[in-house]
Amino acid sequence: GQNIDQPTEMTATEGAIVQINCTYQTSGFNGLFWYQQHAGEAPTFLSYNVLDGLEEKGRFSSFLSRSKGYSYLLLKELQMKDSASYLCAFNTGGFKTIFGAGTRLFVKA
Amino acid sequence: SQTIHQWPATLVQPVGSPLSLECTVEGTSNPNLYWYRQAAGRGLQLLFYSVGIGQISSEVPQNLSASRPQDRQFILSSKKLLLSDSGFYLCAWTPGQLSSYEQYFGPGTRLTVT
Repeated sequence: GQNIDQPTEMTATEGAIVQINCTYQTSGFNGLFWYQQHAGEAPTFLSYNVLDGLEEKGRFSSFLSRSKGYSYLLLKELQMKDSASYLCAFNTGGFKTIFGAGTRLFVKA
Repeated sequence: SQTIHQWPATLVQPVGSPLSLECTVEGTSNPNLYWYRQAAGRGLQLLFYSVGIGQISSEVPQNLSASRPQDRQFILSSKKLLLSDSGFYLCAWTPGQLSSYEQYFGPGTRLTVT
């Protein structure tokens, strides 16, 4: 089967670093995505990993290990506006992308 | 640049009433189009996707249907709404010919079935 797991909620302090983990199981895999979704809004794309390793994009970095079925999103220098849900998703190799339930991140002052 | 539109933004409908949600994409040709539903506190559930006019793939058997009458138009319908149809409906697109690509989402329609 196909499934994807990530923590339901996390809390971090402004200016700190937070790591959001994601594990997945699938028979077909063609890339791992991270999206940010503010309350009441549509998701927006953050990162894409298709090969193992770390991809860095400004304050956000994403890591993938295909052999372990594991990814994480690293957010540095947290800001209040980073309070949102972060969705992990993988493409199955066709036109289907499976989304996790999301991790709600609360950034406190 | 490409933009994606959805309407209406919010909708309150009684149980048993019909539904029609529309999505249009501008600035691209032959996109892949998707309908998702997000229940409160849940992940995105893929309902339908389409790789071309008249081509619809259904992921979840239920009382919803989708149609693609034009290249950049995607419609989600129901003949009789259920309470369980409440949720946040999102349309998304990716460039045609590419199966794995970041998805661009519309602003969404929040549907409440009463």
